[in-house]
Amino acid sequence: DAKTTQPTSMDCAEGRAANLPCNHSTISGNEYVYWYRQIHSQGPQYIIHGLKNNETNEMASLIITEDRKSSTLILPHATLRDTAVYYCISVYNFNKFYFGSGTKLNVKP
Amino acid sequence: DTEVTQTPKHLVMGMTNKKSLKCEQHMGHRAMYWYKQKAKKPPELMFVYSYEKLSINESVPSRFSPECPNSSLLNLHLHALQPEDSALYLCASSQPGGAGDQETQYFGPGTRLLVL
Repeated sequence: DAKTTQPTSMDCAEGRAANLPCNHSTISGNEYVYWYRQIHSQGPQYIIHGLKNNETNEMASLIITEDRKSSTLILPHATLRDTAVYYCISVYNFNKFYFGSGTKLNVKP
Repeated sequence: DTEVTQTPKHLVMGMTNKKSLKCEQHMGHRAMYWYKQKAKKPPELMFVYSYEKLSINESVPSRFSPECPNSSLLNLHLHALQPEDSALYLCASSQPGGAGDQETQYFGPGTRLLVL
């Protein structure tokens, strides 16, 4: 499974879009990109995943570059409740999720 | 319903105690997982069960003993733990063998374990 790298922390103003980058430069053609978040001391919560195409659901949008070496998770209108650690995971073997260090997103009023 | 439940929420045990953590899901998932998460660190995979059989053991010490009595239940038996085993223990489930991207893992809230 490819290693992912993310910034340690980011700030975002409430109501603005939060754009969280992830680098997965060694990703292979069959590896999906999954995003989870973990609000303090809770279990990780699934957000979105994708392979090649951009994806959108009720929580977020996922933009994957054409070469698939990086992706961006977009929370369109961040709220204080979106403050959490966001994990980007590249997954080839679906039984094995290896979490990277994640990005701590601080949404500020 | 994408709920995975874990009991107990909190557990304090001595190094000579034997205790068990329990995880349950009713989503019909046939893969279940145990993860360990130390403070301010990401979750680390410990065990994977697929169709009630242990398929992955990430070199976990034998003082942790997993058990999958049926497709809905997953236990983690604890014996002779060390203080450094204090952590949040997370359970997850997914549906294995799906078409490509059908294996999203759903996590429970975790059991916070303190070993004294």
